[in-house]
Amino acid sequence: DIQMTQSPSSLSASVGDRVAITCRASQGISNYLAWFQQKPGKAPKSLIYAASSLESGVPSRFSGGGSGTEFTLTISNLQPEDFATYYCQHYDTYPPTFGQGTKVDIK
Amino acid sequence: EIQLVESGGGLVQPGGSLKLSCAASGFTFSDHYMDWVRQAPGEGLEWVGRTRNKANGYSTEYVASVRGRFTVSRDESQNSLFLQMNSLKTEDTAVYFCVRTARRGGNSWNFDYWGQGSLVIVSS
Repeated sequence: DIQMTQSPSSLSASVGDRVAITCRASQGISNYLAWFQQKPGKAPKSLIYAASSLESGVPSRFSGGGSGTEFTLTISNLQPEDFATYYCQHYDTYPPTFGQGTKVDIK
Repeated sequence: EIQLVESGGGLVQPGGSLKLSCAASGFTFSDHYMDWVRQAPGEGLEWVGRTRNKANGYSTEYVASVRGRFTVSRDESQNSLFLQMNSLKTEDTAVYFCVRTARRGGNSWNFDYWGQGSLVIVSS
């Protein structure tokens, strides 16, 4: 199975900050990479697919990049509603697997 | 509005069985692959299994840890997805999410809409 490793596991930031989360795949996955946001007690929400394609309705302050084995989710101008846990996930082969999550909380 | 509503969760003893249901609405159910993803308490996300759409013969895939114990199925007439779970283990305790899967370019498919989840507790 392909292992997905996110860094950092958690970060503290302030409203208005720019934050970046890195996701590394244990082998090349082309651009078959998605990002999800999850708030406590809620279902995950799709943010980005194909490494850099923004899901409909997702604010443009979210952006994704990368290819192969290294990917990044960037949130510019962090808003109060962005404090959540973020997961990367590959869908290159079966089984699709997720990173362990990155919790973004308020500094 | 796309809606996915899970039901059927609860407390079950190790070795027991449980069947989860997911009622889908707001989209053409037969066009989409459908998946189950679970999340153990305080833990991350784990994909469980998938059923492809009618055009792909409703074929299924499973994560190794549930293969042979869990069965994903669907009923197009009811716009419903099911997860039959047999020989349950304590490590199957989790919130189970019903997830719609959409084509993401070429022949790649991935999750887009998620239900709110149904809690399954396996304990004696």
